[in-house]
Amino acid sequence: AQSVTQLDSQVPVFEEAPVELRCNYSSSVSVYLFWYVQYPNQGLQLLLKYLSGSTLVKGINGFEAEFNKSQTSFHLRKPSVHISDTAEYFCAVLNTGFQKLVFGTGTRLLVSP
Amino acid sequence: GAGVSQSPSNKVTEKGKDVELRCDPISGHTALYWYRQRLGQGLEFLIYFQGNSAPDKSGLPSDRFSAERTGESVSTLTIQRTQQEDSAVYLCASSLAGGSGNQPQHFGDGTRLSIL
Repeated sequence: AQSVTQLDSQVPVFEEAPVELRCNYSSSVSVYLFWYVQYPNQGLQLLLKYLSGSTLVKGINGFEAEFNKSQTSFHLRKPSVHISDTAEYFCAVLNTGFQKLVFGTGTRLLVSP
Repeated sequence: GAGVSQSPSNKVTEKGKDVELRCDPISGHTALYWYRQRLGQGLEFLIYFQGNSAPDKSGLPSDRFSAERTGESVSTLTIQRTQQEDSAVYLCASSLAGGSGNQPQHFGDGTRLSIL
């Protein structure tokens, strides 16, 4: 069975600073990896995904993530955050051949001026 | 085009009552998923539909929970004899085909269920 760990429940950061949200996963088989963002009282929006190929994946809103197979990590980064990036971020894995997304518990990014 | 639509957006009900939550997927999406999001937690998978059949119901927490889908459109999630631990946001997602990595899941805004 897969699992996803997001160690940081909350990450406070100042506007225009860089940020990294950590995600580690465990799986005995190949997986696809995703980051979703959830703004208050809204559903989840796909930020980016890793399926295969280049380990550095670029997504929307200036976010990127790097797949590291040896460390089983898929950390999300942004070089300069905006107030509008304040939201909950979820890392998820999908076992290739299955349909069920397994989510981490989420990281709340709090951007202050 | 319209995204995934869920109704109601909020539902408050008394313990012991039955509730029905509705999900309208994106037109043409054959796969539909229900998740539950408890306060401060990640999303828990409940059930997956491919068309109107449910090949994976493994996440339904008890026999009080059931779901059905009409063709490749609307789905309803029913919770009978609600308990306080059922309070959560219930999210629906849809995708083309089987929701593989190449067919990402698109989420609705959820139904916030509060059991008094």
